[in-house]
Amino acid sequence: DAGVIQSPRHEVTEMGQEVTLRCKPISGHNSLFWYRQTMMRGLELLIYFNNNVPIDDSGMPEDRFSAKMPNASFSTLKIQPSEPRDSAVYFCASSLWDRDKDTQYFGPGTRLTVL
Amino acid sequence: DQQVKQNSPSLSVQEGRISILNCDYTNSMFDYFLWYKKYPAEGPTFLISISSIKDKNEDGRFTVFLNKSAKHLSLHIVPSQPGDSAVYFCAASLFYNQGGKLIFGQGTELSVKP
Repeated sequence: DAGVIQSPRHEVTEMGQEVTLRCKPISGHNSLFWYRQTMMRGLELLIYFNNNVPIDDSGMPEDRFSAKMPNASFSTLKIQPSEPRDSAVYFCASSLWDRDKDTQYFGPGTRLTVL
Repeated sequence: DQQVKQNSPSLSVQEGRISILNCDYTNSMFDYFLWYKKYPAEGPTFLISISSIKDKNEDGRFTVFLNKSAKHLSLHIVPSQPGDSAVYFCAASLFYNQGGKLIFGQGTELSVKP
């Protein structure tokens, strides 16, 4: 399997622009997670989906952030409008959760720079 | 509030010696713990996990110990190798209640010197 795929790998944009990050989870996985990594806050969970349904979005920082999962093989994280403090590495992860174990597999991340 | 803490931002160890990475948590309801390893420009990769019903789990050179009374877990790497140099994150979850939501520590950067 190709693993979790994220695009783009790098994104540089100007403040106020819309940014869309994309994720393709591992085939057959039923949970998908969006994380953000910054020096100040470390690795923090933004939102996660189970069977394409958002379960917990309490980590989404503001209304400027939104995430969708229209089907089992695709998810987007959108920031509109973007601000310099959104600059971070954004990771997508997927897992096949069952009652015995749960291992999340991470994508390579998207490094976002907002000027 | 930080529910999972890794108080050592960095650790340097000589090749062949033991590396011990520590992690503390505050929520006694956490029932599943994991360690992830991260190289630069890559996503974290799963290393080893432990359920709260156990106090030790071993996988090759890697052993995770869980002390529930102290709310403390540690990762032992024996013997350490230069390829182990990376950032290590511990994570915790309310596995059976929230299935999948992980809370990560800040990470510890391990450097193994030849």
